[in-house]
Amino acid sequence: AQSVTQLDSHVSVSEGTPVLLRCNYSSSYSPSLFWYVQHPNKGLQLLLKYTSAATLVKGINGFEAEFKKSETSFHLTKPSAHMSDAAEYFCVVTATTSGTYKYIFGTGTRLKVLA
Amino acid sequence: EAQVTQNPRYLITVTGKKLTVTCSQNMNHEYMSWYRQDPGLGLRQIYYSMNVEVTDKGDVPEGYKVSRKEKRNFPLILESPSPNQTSLYFCASSLILNSPLHFGNGTRLTVT
Repeated sequence: AQSVTQLDSHVSVSEGTPVLLRCNYSSSYSPSLFWYVQHPNKGLQLLLKYTSAATLVKGINGFEAEFKKSETSFHLTKPSAHMSDAAEYFCVVTATTSGTYKYIFGTGTRLKVLA
Repeated sequence: EAQVTQNPRYLITVTGKKLTVTCSQNMNHEYMSWYRQDPGLGLRQIYYSMNVEVTDKGDVPEGYKVSRKEKRNFPLILESPSPNQTSLYFCASSLILNSPLHFGNGTRLTVT
């Protein structure tokens, strides 16, 4: 069955330093993968998506993610953190098994950016 | 403007009093779904719909109902709410499965 694991529930970085948010997935076929961001008291906004094209995916606000099939990972990175990046981030995988069609969310990583 | 509209944004109710949270999208999306968000658990899918009159259970469907009589609308119904349904609820839609989800602004429900 498809699943997604976000390896860190909290990440703290200093402003101007790199960001790495880790996501591993489990899928019996080539999935679609997404990263979403949720700022406090806001809805969810799409950062980027992978749908079997280029393995390095560029998103909004300087974020990017690399799909590594051999490692079943889809980690989110940004070269230099900004205070406005403080938010919760969700990795999402689509799942199609036994006639079900779902988007499966990780439990989230809360990013804190220190001045 | 392309959007998913949920109403109400905030709702406080009492145990057992039936309620409906509405969801409407104006993007002609086929796929619609409901999620609840609880601290530490991420978003969990309640129900989804692949198209009109086609709905199916997600991971946490107990205590909820949905209907999809029109393509644009996908209401969430709680026939007899209980305190463990206190949560933040999101409606979302996508063109098809594997397309990005577009989210509504959320409904914060409190059941006392």
